[in-house]
Amino acid sequence: SQQGEEDPQALSIQEGENATMNCSYKTSINNLQWYRQNSGRGLVHLILIRSNEREKHSGRLRVTLDTSKKSSSLLITASRAADTASYFCATDGSYSGAGSYQLTFGKGTKLSVIP
Amino acid sequence: EAEVAQSPRYKITEKSQAVAFWCDPISGHATLYWYRQILGQGPELLVQFQDESVVDDSQLPKDRFSAERLKGVDSTLKIQPAELGDSAMYLCASSPDAGGALYEQYFGPGTRLTVT
Repeated sequence: SQQGEEDPQALSIQEGENATMNCSYKTSINNLQWYRQNSGRGLVHLILIRSNEREKHSGRLRVTLDTSKKSSSLLITASRAADTASYFCATDGSYSGAGSYQLTFGKGTKLSVIP
Repeated sequence: EAEVAQSPRYKITEKSQAVAFWCDPISGHATLYWYRQILGQGPELLVQFQDESVVDDSQLPKDRFSAERLKGVDSTLKIQPAELGDSAMYLCASSPDAGGALYEQYFGPGTRLTVT
C-alpha cells in the first residue's frame, strides 16, 4: 500500500523557474525521504528529513516537513533541463522486523523542465 | 563511486517461463532490498535481506517468486512461472545499515521485464 501521495502528478516549467512538489502521508513517521528517477533508470536519493526537523537544504533543493499536517514539500530552485525526472517521496511503512521499517513510496511527480 | 550492479538490464520472456535477476550491492552493505515498480507507480518492496537472512518478505508472492542471498553478498530474484502481470521494473537497493526506511538506500539501474 502507498503511504505518501505526491502532488501534482505532472509539472512542466521553463528552465530557470522554481519547481515545487508536495507530498502528503497518512500515519506518523520517523523520517521522510525524497528520491529522483530519470526515465527508465534507478532511483537516486536526494534528501532525508527526520520527524523532528522542519526544513533541510541541499544545493538547489529545499525540503520542508510539517508533521502536524502530515505533509512535505520539495523545492528545486533555478531549474535546469537535467532536472527533468520523476520525484518520489518515501516514508516509513510497516515494521519489517529486526529494527527495520519498510520504505513506502508515493506515485511520484513527473517534472519536465523545458530549455 | 561505488554502485549497485544489476543484470540483465532488459529481459523479455514468454508467459510460464522462468526468469532470474541478479544484484550485486555496494561492497560492505549488509542490507539488500528487491523492489518491483509498475509503470507510473512508485517502487514496492518485495523482500529485504540483512546479510544472508530474510528480514521481510511479506509482500513477495511466494507461490512464484523466490529470492536468495546465500553468502550475504550478491542476490538472485527468480520468478517461475512468469505471468503477464509480472511485467515491471525490478529494482535492487542496498544500505550499510539495518533499519530500512530509517536510512538512505542506494538503488541499482533496474531490470525491465516484459512478459509476452
